[in-house]
This record gives sequence, C-alpha cells and structure tokens, in this order.
Amino acid sequence: DGGITQSPKYLFRKEGQNVTLSCEQNLNHDAMYWYRQDPGQGLRLIYYSQIVNDFQKGDIAEGYSVSREKKESFPLTVTSAQKNPTAFYLCASSTGTTTRDTQYFGPGTRLTVL
Amino acid sequence: GEDVEQSLFLSVREGDSSVINCTYTDSSSTYLYWYKQEPGAGLQLLTYIFSNMDMKQDQRLTVLLNKKDKHLSLRIADTQTGDSAIYFCADPNKLIFGAGTRLAVHP
Repeated sequence: DGGITQSPKYLFRKEGQNVTLSCEQNLNHDAMYWYRQDPGQGLRLIYYSQIVNDFQKGDIAEGYSVSREKKESFPLTVTSAQKNPTAFYLCASSTGTTTRDTQYFGPGTRLTVL
Repeated sequence: GEDVEQSLFLSVREGDSSVINCTYTDSSSTYLYWYKQEPGAGLQLLTYIFSNMDMKQDQRLTVLLNKKDKHLSLRIADTQTGDSAIYFCADPNKLIFGAGTRLAVHP
C-alpha cells in the first residue's frame, strides 16, 4: 500500500535531549513537509523540502533541523534549543515541486517532553 | 501577512446540517482545501474548490466560495457522529492552514 508513515506514534524525551522523528513515504512524491500542531493553533510549518538534498525553513524552524538525503525520507530532529517541543508533529508529502498541490499526511507523532 | 481564520468550535445535533466557515486574506489563492482530522490521527483531504468555482458538491459535502468576501464554507448535510472531528481549511499554495474547527455531533 502507498502512503506516509511516521514513527514512533508517541515519543517521550527528557529536557535537554535531541530527538529525531521519522517520516517515510512510498508515493514517489518530490515534496515533503513538517508541521507542528498545538491546541487552538492549527498547523504551523516547520520545514519543507521540494527535492532531494534541498530544504527550506518554514514559519517556526528555530530549534529544529531536517535532512533530505533520500526522496522517500524526511526526518525531523527536535533539538534541545527548541523551548517548547511538546506537540503533535505531522509530516506530509505532495507531488508538486513548482506548485504545492494536494498534501497527504502521515498519522503524526506526539512528542512529550518530561 | 497571509492568514486563514476559522471559528474553533461547532456543536450540532445528529441529522442536522453543519456549516463550517473560513475566511482568508490572500486573494491570489488558486484553490482552497478542506481537511478532516480525527482524534490522534493525521489529516485527510476531504475536498477542494478552485477559485473559478462558486460551489462544489460531493455527496453530503457542499463547498461554497465567495471570492469577493474571501469566505469559504463547508456544509455537511445529515451530520453523523462519525463526522465528529477537526476540520481545517487550507491554502496549499501558501502552505497556510486555519486553526481548525472542532465539530461535535450529539444525539
């Protein structure tokens, strides 16, 4: 089956630790995205990548880093510099590179900092 | 800057119609999307409308677009308990999502 997978579903980390969230897609999509969701604030764009080995900062990139070494993978690292990392993180992908068309979302990872 | 706004909550009785509203500021949006998010899950694309359309109907869903007022609405006819979720309007060109409207359906 084609789709987007995120792992793990729930993640706990201690303050001061870096943690990496996985996002994999087998849809052959060029573009991939990371969003953060907080209650009452909807989705906010962290980073996006339109092609392998290239990525752009979104609205709230501070304290996060990404890599795009393979087309199907776009891992997000939440660093210790992120002041309020507890949130629900959603990964998405789309076919478009020059236009941002339909985004398909993964099931999300809920990160809790203890 | 560009923005997409929605009311946060809507409560309806089962069998009634639900209307979820969205306003946007960027008039250059070529199309707008509606996504549905069930608890603890990702977003599923429900429907979309192109900017040259006023209305789009898809089974129980009706999308209305008023470009003059920059207003988008999603009507769900015969709302069921399975429709309980958060609904997001989104401008895919700008990668902007509304805050989401939480729809609660009660008997």
